[in-house]
Amino acid sequence: EIVLTQSPDTLSLSPGERATLSCRASQTLSTNYLAWYQQKPGRAPRLLIYGASNRATGIPDRFSGSGSGPAFTLTITRLEPEDFAVYYCHHLNTFGPGTKVDIK
Amino acid sequence: QVQLVQSGAEVKHPGASVKVSCQASGYTFTGYDISWVRQVSGHRLEWMGWMKPLRGDEGYAKKFQDRVRFTRDMSNSTAYMELRSLRFEDTAVYFCARTPYDSSGSYSYGMDVWGQGTTVTVSS
Repeated sequence: EIVLTQSPDTLSLSPGERATLSCRASQTLSTNYLAWYQQKPGRAPRLLIYGASNRATGIPDRFSGSGSGPAFTLTITRLEPEDFAVYYCHHLNTFGPGTKVDIK
Repeated sequence: QVQLVQSGAEVKHPGASVKVSCQASGYTFTGYDISWVRQVSGHRLEWMGWMKPLRGDEGYAKKFQDRVRFTRDMSNSTAYMELRSLRFEDTAVYFCARTPYDSSGSYSYGMDVWGQGTTVTVSS
């Protein structure tokens, strides 16, 4: 069974800064099924990226996904106040543990 | 407007069953998979399985496969998740999510529409 590991656990940044979130799999994955979600407290997750690098409908272009094989990255180029949340990577039947992006 | 609306919060005793509904609107219900995901408070998202509403095909995570069942009612575009033999550790928020795939099933477009979540509390 594939295990997804995310790092760091928490990323403390200021608005306007760049965020780089990592997702690493225990084995090589197909990019076809790799997605990223954002979740805020008390809310359902929101799809950001699918197919490892494709932005979902309505997602601002400051969000981008990249990677292949076992290593994937979500980048937020300039953090906006509404971007402080928990981010999960997901592949088929597995979610990563999440990275919390909080305000420094 | 494309949306999934879930049933309200439930409180159950250990050993009981719970059935959560997820009503779709604004799109063709039978054209997309429905995934079920749960989240224990403060923990990661946990994938429970999927269902194809058109034919009723289902797939379950190994952790739940002996206790969970997904069904649907196409007449009112509603998917259901029933979890049996509830335990205290099943206390969680349960989500349904629309999950589009390409026609071959070899490419996923992610879980693009989510229900609001249903809180299930297992308490004695």
